[in-house]
Amino acid sequence: GAGVSQTPSNKVTEKGKYVELRCDPISGHTALYWYRQSLGQGPEFLIYFQGTGAADDSGLPNDRFFAVRPEGSVSTLKIQRTERGDSAVYLCASSLRGGGRETQYFGPGTRLLVL
Amino acid sequence: AQTVTQSQPEMSVQEAETVTLSCTYDTSENNYYLFWYKQPPSRQMILVIRQEAYKQQNATENRFSVNFQKAAKSFSLKISDSQLGDTAMYFCAFMKATGANNLFFGTGTRLTVIP
Repeated sequence: GAGVSQTPSNKVTEKGKYVELRCDPISGHTALYWYRQSLGQGPEFLIYFQGTGAADDSGLPNDRFFAVRPEGSVSTLKIQRTERGDSAVYLCASSLRGGGRETQYFGPGTRLLVL
Repeated sequence: AQTVTQSQPEMSVQEAETVTLSCTYDTSENNYYLFWYKQPPSRQMILVIRQEAYKQQNATENRFSVNFQKAAKSFSLKISDSQLGDTAMYFCAFMKATGANNLFFGTGTRLTVIP
């Protein structure tokens, strides 16, 4: 049984460039979450999908960040005009339905470095 | 707003001994969930244990148990018979029972098990 996978594992880009980070959730999981983990910190919530729709995007830091999940499975986090402060590990998690009784299963993350 | 505080940045324990990691939180919610997650060097967050706030009985999972004190807003993790594989970052996390489905994390405690 495959877990949550994320690609790429590492991404190095230059300030001002556009990046896409991909998350493949566990098959059948309707809930998908993106978190950002800066060095020495705990993960911080970015966005939550229930199916194809973004149910809560209150954690996105600004309009340079956008995420989609067009078919209710794979999700892509998109960052425009990257800044050095965007450097972090981006974690994706999925759960069967969402809510506290459901375990969120995390992927290994994508480490983004903006030079 | 919810906050989660882990006041021990680093801890160490001898193999086979017992260690307790501390966590306090602040919320105005009456019902919620609390979690401990483990993050080994592979970066993949793994759920260790979950507690539902309306349950008075402390959760246990094999060698892992919690001391949940709702009035004090305290949620500590006890690891018994520590093993080398327990070496990791440990994050305490909070989730509302209704509404938002995202996890709020503390800053983590780095635990080292010494052989």
